[in-house]
Amino acid sequence: EPEVTQTPSHQVTQMGQEVILRCVPISNHLYFYWYRQILGQKVEFLVSFYNNEISEKSEIFDDQFSVERPDGSNFTLKIRSTKLEDSAMYFCASSGQGRGNQPQHFGDGTRLSIL
Amino acid sequence: LAKTTQPISMDSYEGQEVNITCSHNNIATNDYITWYQQFPSQGPRFIIQGYKTKVTNEVASLFIPADRKSSTLSLPRVSLSDTAVYYCLVGGTTDSWGKLQFGAGTQVVVTP
Repeated sequence: EPEVTQTPSHQVTQMGQEVILRCVPISNHLYFYWYRQILGQKVEFLVSFYNNEISEKSEIFDDQFSVERPDGSNFTLKIRSTKLEDSAMYFCASSGQGRGNQPQHFGDGTRLSIL
Repeated sequence: LAKTTQPISMDSYEGQEVNITCSHNNIATNDYITWYQQFPSQGPRFIIQGYKTKVTNEVASLFIPADRKSSTLSLPRVSLSDTAVYYCLVGGTTDSWGKLQFGAGTQVVVTP
């Protein structure tokens, strides 16, 4: 069964540094998402992406965050200047369509630890 | 997006059937009901989705009454590996680009 893959599985970064989290969505999917989950808390929506542009973003997704689809297979999340509170699991997801009744397929996440 | 309410936790023994009920009183006409499962340190995994009546797949069954104000996820004969958090989500065909809003979910613990 096709799956969403994320790298690295764990990233440790000094506060203030830039970090790029990478995702390879399912190949025929067109809609891409990033979510995060702070330890012990809910999964939170960050951003959705379609047709090479952001479709929707949450209030968490401020100017420090950006997303990009640099080629036909990768989807990246960049945090420009990391803060301690950015420490979380970051999940990438993809779906065939962007409607609410279309299941999203998630990767196993990148654990981001900010020191 | 319709708000959902589900129990915080449920305990079960191996081999039993586990039923998790989710309330969604404000479900809209075009909303579907979707359940996800999440193991520790893994991403949520789609389990099942339905609109009305009953849906069954190889993993679970989803029962939706006629008024659609609640739904019940049924896990038959659970094993230890079914210990996970289960999320009920409600969303429709016109949702803003498929944004999923997860609640706290139901922590299911299966013991021998």
